[in-house]
Amino acid sequence: GAGVSQSPSNKVTEKGKDVELRCDPISGHTALYWYRQRLGQGLEFLIYFQGNSAPDKSGLPSDRFSAERTGESVSTLTIQRTQQEDSAVYLCASSLVGGRAGRNEQFFGPGTRLTVL
Amino acid sequence: AQRVTQPEKLLSVFKGAPVELKCNYSYSGSPELFWYVQYSRQRLQLLLRHISRESIKGFTADLNKGETSFHLKKPFAQEEDSAMYYCALSGAETSGSRLTFGEGTQLTVNP
Repeated sequence: GAGVSQSPSNKVTEKGKDVELRCDPISGHTALYWYRQRLGQGLEFLIYFQGNSAPDKSGLPSDRFSAERTGESVSTLTIQRTQQEDSAVYLCASSLVGGRAGRNEQFFGPGTRLTVL
Repeated sequence: AQRVTQPEKLLSVFKGAPVELKCNYSYSGSPELFWYVQYSRQRLQLLLRHISRESIKGFTADLNKGETSFHLKKPFAQEEDSAMYYCALSGAETSGSRLTFGEGTQLTVNP
């Protein structure tokens, strides 16, 4: 079946504008993660959704960042009033389950490259 | 707090030579360790995880709790192993299986 998909693949925006990034997880996966990867750095955790539980937002860097997920399907990451330091690749991943279970392998999407001018 | 360190940003070896990509971690509890790989123009994918204790594409990694290391090894490197490798950790105390990544090592295997 199809893997995790993300859109857009590239986004160029002006400082101060809002952007919305989309993630379509693998069908049936209950857990969904957003990560950010700045140039030359590793991935930073942003937010985690598990089923209908309250999301873990502990990785969001500021209140300009927010994310939503409808049930166990699509998720959107919104960045308001973008700043140049928000420029990065934003990666989404999904797994069959969350937690320390054997089926928690995370499958990654291709990412959205965000450039803030 | 949990932290993953990959001391080498770049590693270059010749085909057929042994390769070791280093990974050290800092975590007070019982971690779960992973290696992820990203080949050119492909998405990030899981290579192996310590609980599986398996060899994937000839790679192995052993969790050494005493040295807090999870080095990735392959006895005979192949050109197709050239890629970006990330070591990652999941801690029992964190929700879900959110991963903490190292900064990655770019492996180049020369012919």
